[in-house]
Amino acid sequence: NAGVTQTPKFRVLKTGQSMTLLCAQDMNHEYMYWYRQDPGMGLRLIHYSVGEGTTAKGEVPDGYNVSRLKKQNFLLGLESAAPSQTSVYFCASTEEGMDRAYEQYFGPGTRLTVT
Amino acid sequence: GQNIDQPTEMTATEGAIVQINCTYQTSGFNGLFWYQQHAGEAPTFLSYNVLDGLEEKGRFSSFLSRSKGYSYLLLKELQMKDSASYLCAVMDSNYQLIWGAGTKLIIKP
Repeated sequence: NAGVTQTPKFRVLKTGQSMTLLCAQDMNHEYMYWYRQDPGMGLRLIHYSVGEGTTAKGEVPDGYNVSRLKKQNFLLGLESAAPSQTSVYFCASTEEGMDRAYEQYFGPGTRLTVT
Repeated sequence: GQNIDQPTEMTATEGAIVQINCTYQTSGFNGLFWYQQHAGEAPTFLSYNVLDGLEEKGRFSSFLSRSKGYSYLLLKELQMKDSASYLCAVMDSNYQLIWGAGTKLIIKP
């Protein structure tokens, strides 16, 4: 099993450009998450999904959109990139369940620089 | 607001023991996680505590006191490969993880 994979691993964008980050998991997990990680700060939740066809906003959703058309894939889109979106983006997934806490499995990350 | 506090950086010697503290204030509590993150890599799960007390897993142990809003991660017999950041995260009443900024642990020979 590959676990959680992310594409691309690195990207440099100019201000105003758009891009899509792809996350895929082969563990049949229901829940998927997109985080950003910035120096000196904890991971911050951008958007998440509790199942195919569902999405919800996290702590810092502005400037991002997501889609979960297939259970195994979770896409994160930047419509018009800004330098403030320079960050490392992690995708994570976890088993179904709102009645207990499950560990999250993380992808390797995408390092995005916006100039 | 919700807050997770942990030291920014700690230094320890190979073979020694180190304790990394985490204090939290969150809206609700559904458990506390510790993750390890090596530089340039993804976080990986270390431990989960939902009840008070100590959970031991090999060289790593994690302690929780819900009444004090406090946890620690104890690493014994430190090895150079333990040099990493250690992230404390609390699951709140909505089952969302609130993350601390992480503690960078430097191991010296």
